[in-house]
Amino acid sequence: DQQVKQNSPSLSVQEGRISILNCDYTNSMFDYFLWYKKYPAEGPTFLISISSIKDKNEDGRFTVFLNKSAKHLSLHIVPSQPGDSAVYFCAASPPPRVQGAQKLVFGQGTRLTINP
Amino acid sequence: GAGVSQSPRYKVAKRGQDVALRCDPISGHVSLFWYQQALGQGPEFLTYFQNEAQLDKSGLPSDRFFAERPEGSVSTLKIQRTQQEDSAVYLCASSLAPLTGRGSARITNEKLFFGSGTQLSVL
Repeated sequence: DQQVKQNSPSLSVQEGRISILNCDYTNSMFDYFLWYKKYPAEGPTFLISISSIKDKNEDGRFTVFLNKSAKHLSLHIVPSQPGDSAVYFCAASPPPRVQGAQKLVFGQGTRLTINP
Repeated sequence: GAGVSQSPRYKVAKRGQDVALRCDPISGHVSLFWYQQALGQGPEFLTYFQNEAQLDKSGLPSDRFFAERPEGSVSTLKIQRTQQEDSAVYLCASSLAPLTGRGSARITNEKLFFGSGTQLSVL
């Protein structure tokens, strides 16, 4: 049961244009969402996050949009740069509980290629 | 070092062999996670430590998987009698704050730092 889905395995965008990466989730208990970026042979690095009380969070060239009713979030990168070429993972977290860790549930990832 | 360090970087094991994967978290980090990332998939949670206490091991796929962090710093993930389906990248991540319990810091506010992983291939 894939609770977080990224249905596009790959995306190719021209430098300077907007990149839009999509993510869908099924568990309505998730209340925090994150995007991670991963270069080959490196671990994922945190990019941007959003709480379920918001519908948009912006950090420089990166903006994350959350549509709770559709259980959908997206990451916009504008303008796209060659250094943005990487695999992007969407992740979700439920609220902290009395016991148990705050587990991140990851999507399968989308490989973004920015063409010069 | 400044980041999370994992060793070995690559491990090739014959089916049935035992392996041990090491994680050196960032100094002083309380929380430590192990994740398993199969080819073409996202990371999946295995287990969580707060200092030396293993507070959540619900993601370990079988009793062949065992993790420890005896002194609250370095952690070892051990896989006994490896099988081909164990082939994956094993990622370790650490965070400064404790990440369990109601009212704890949110994982999104306390940055989680990942190591580069150990790529395990079981032949």
